[in-house]
Amino acid sequence: EVVLTQSPATLSLSPGERATLSCRASQSVNRYLVWYQQKPGQAPRLLIYDASNRATGIPARFSGSGSGTDFTLTISTLEPEDYAVYYCQQRTKWPLTFGGGTRVEIK
Amino acid sequence: EVQLVESGGGLVQPGGSLRLSCEASGFTFSNYWMTWVRQAPGKGLEWVANIKQDGIEKYYVDSVKGRFTISRDNAKNSLFLQMDSLRAEDTALYYCAKPSLDCSSATCFDYWGQGTLVTVSS
Repeated sequence: EVVLTQSPATLSLSPGERATLSCRASQSVNRYLVWYQQKPGQAPRLLIYDASNRATGIPARFSGSGSGTDFTLTISTLEPEDYAVYYCQQRTKWPLTFGGGTRVEIK
Repeated sequence: EVQLVESGGGLVQPGGSLRLSCEASGFTFSNYWMTWVRQAPGKGLEWVANIKQDGIEKYYVDSVKGRFTISRDNAKNSLFLQMDSLRAEDTALYYCAKPSLDCSSATCFDYWGQGTLVTVSS
């Protein structure tokens, strides 16, 4: 199965700062990489699909890039509501797999 | 408005069974593949199973094959997960999820329920 490794595990940043989250795949997933946001006590929320496409209603401060095995989720300017855990997911090969998550916390 | 409401979770002993349900509304349920995803307490997400619109084509993660069965009732807009031979490692919050049309083959998910908690313990 495709193993996704997210780094760092925790990112401590102040509001207004830029957040850069990484997801590395154990084999190429082309551009079929998805990002979700999950807040405590809530279900995941779809942010980005196919590496760089924002899902419906997602603010422009969220952007994704990458292809093959290395992907990045960038939050250009952190808003208070962006503090959460972010997961990547590959949709190239079965079983679908998720990364272990990156927690973005308030510094 | 799309809504997915799971039920059926609870405490069960190892080796026991549970049947989870997910009631869907706000979209044409019979037009979509549907999915179960789980999350162990304090852990990440794990895809569990998918079922095609007709209820015939199904896929499972290896760790549940032969123990879990996904099914659906399109007339009742409902998705099910029959879980047998439960193990401690099946303890998790189980989410029902609707695939996004932005991703082919039901491989990413734009609506999720709030989950139902399954605890396997003696």
